[in-house]
Amino acid sequence: GQNIDQPTEMTATEGAIVQINCTYQTSGFNGLFWYQQHAGEAPTFLSYNVLDGLEEKGRFSSFLSRSKGYSYLLLKELQMKDSASYLCALNDYKLSFGAGTTVTVRA
Amino acid sequence: NAGVTQTPKFQVLKTGQSMTLQCAQDMNHEYMSWYRQDPGMGLRLIHYSVGAGITDQGEVPNGYNVSRSTTEDFPLRLLSAAPSQTSVYFCASSGGGALSNTGELFFGEGSRLTVL
Repeated sequence: GQNIDQPTEMTATEGAIVQINCTYQTSGFNGLFWYQQHAGEAPTFLSYNVLDGLEEKGRFSSFLSRSKGYSYLLLKELQMKDSASYLCALNDYKLSFGAGTTVTVRA
Repeated sequence: NAGVTQTPKFQVLKTGQSMTLQCAQDMNHEYMSWYRQDPGMGLRLIHYSVGAGITDQGEVPNGYNVSRSTTEDFPLRLLSAAPSQTSVYFCASSGGGALSNTGELFFGEGSRLTVL
């Protein structure tokens, strides 16, 4: 099985940087996803890490350390539209999600 | 592009009633899955399928049945609805197979179910 932990809530100011951490324990590992979910909508894909290191996609970056069972999602130059829930998901041939981190961006 | 289509979008049931949530995808994806999402609980996997004729249980399978007779369709059945099954249900599919990376999940818009 797997255990996925991420903070429940985070608040940041427009233009700032926020880092959302995700720790996990699993008996099998095949990659880690990050999804964004706005209220009342379906999740949408942000990033996928299968090897250790940093993956950068515009304002969003994701990092993975398999030996530490740790990942983070870095959101830079925060915009109001980034207010959403961010879900860490573990791939062990099926996808299991953490409870999500609600990020609130304030002006 | 239709992608993943779920029906109905909203449903109200009485305790003990049965119903089927439909899910269809037109991307020829092998992997399909059902999740439920409750406040503070994130997405929890109910059942998944890695191809036609193959299904398996996720974290919270009790009270739900699935079948996968075709690649395109993956219906979720509630045989006797209970108030604890009030939730938002998401169907999702992926092009990956069982023994490889499942790849990015494509989600339907969700079905909001209330059981009275």
